[in-house]
Amino acid sequence: DIQMTQSPSTLSASVGDRVTITCRASQSINFWLAWYQQKPGKAPKLLIYKASSLESGVPSRFSGSGSGTQFTLTITSLQPDDCATYYCQQYNSYPYIFGQGTKLEIK
Amino acid sequence: EVLLVQSGAKMREPGESLRISCEGSGYNFVSYWIGWVRQMPGKGLEFMGIIYPDDSDTRYSPSFQGHVTISADKSISTAYLQWSSLKPSDTAIYYCARLSTSGTLLDAFNIWGQGTMVTVSS
Repeated sequence: DIQMTQSPSTLSASVGDRVTITCRASQSINFWLAWYQQKPGKAPKLLIYKASSLESGVPSRFSGSGSGTQFTLTITSLQPDDCATYYCQQYNSYPYIFGQGTKLEIK
Repeated sequence: EVLLVQSGAKMREPGESLRISCEGSGYNFVSYWIGWVRQMPGKGLEFMGIIYPDDSDTRYSPSFQGHVTISADKSISTAYLQWSSLKPSDTAIYYCARLSTSGTLLDAFNIWGQGTMVTVSS
């Protein structure tokens, strides 16, 4: 199975900051990567698909980049509502493994 | 509106069987892969498996193969996740989720159910 490693595991930032979360795949997944946001007690929400495509309705302050084995999720101008846990997921090959998650806290 | 509505919270004792459901509406149910994702208390997301309702083609993650059964009844637009003998370690929230594009596996989950909490305890 492909392994997905996210960093950092936790992150604390201030409103207005630029935040970057990294996801590394154990082998190339081309650009078949998604990013999800999960708030406590809620189902995950798709933010980014195909590494850099913004899901409809998601604020433009979220962006994704990367290909192969290295990917990033960037939030420009962090908002209080962005407090959540973020997961990457590869869907290049079966099974579709998730990263372990990055908990983002607002200072 | 496209929706996945899951069955309510369940409590069972170890060794009991259970089937939870996920009903799709607002789209052509048979044409989109539906997956199941486990989230143990305080932990991350784990992909369990996925089914194509039109022909019941099912793929399991090796970690869950043999421990659960995924099925679908296209006549009532419902997918299922079932256990024949529950363990306390099966205590978790289980989400169903639909892939974004009809007919393809190379896709992300863009529609999620609200989750079903399963508690296994004596």
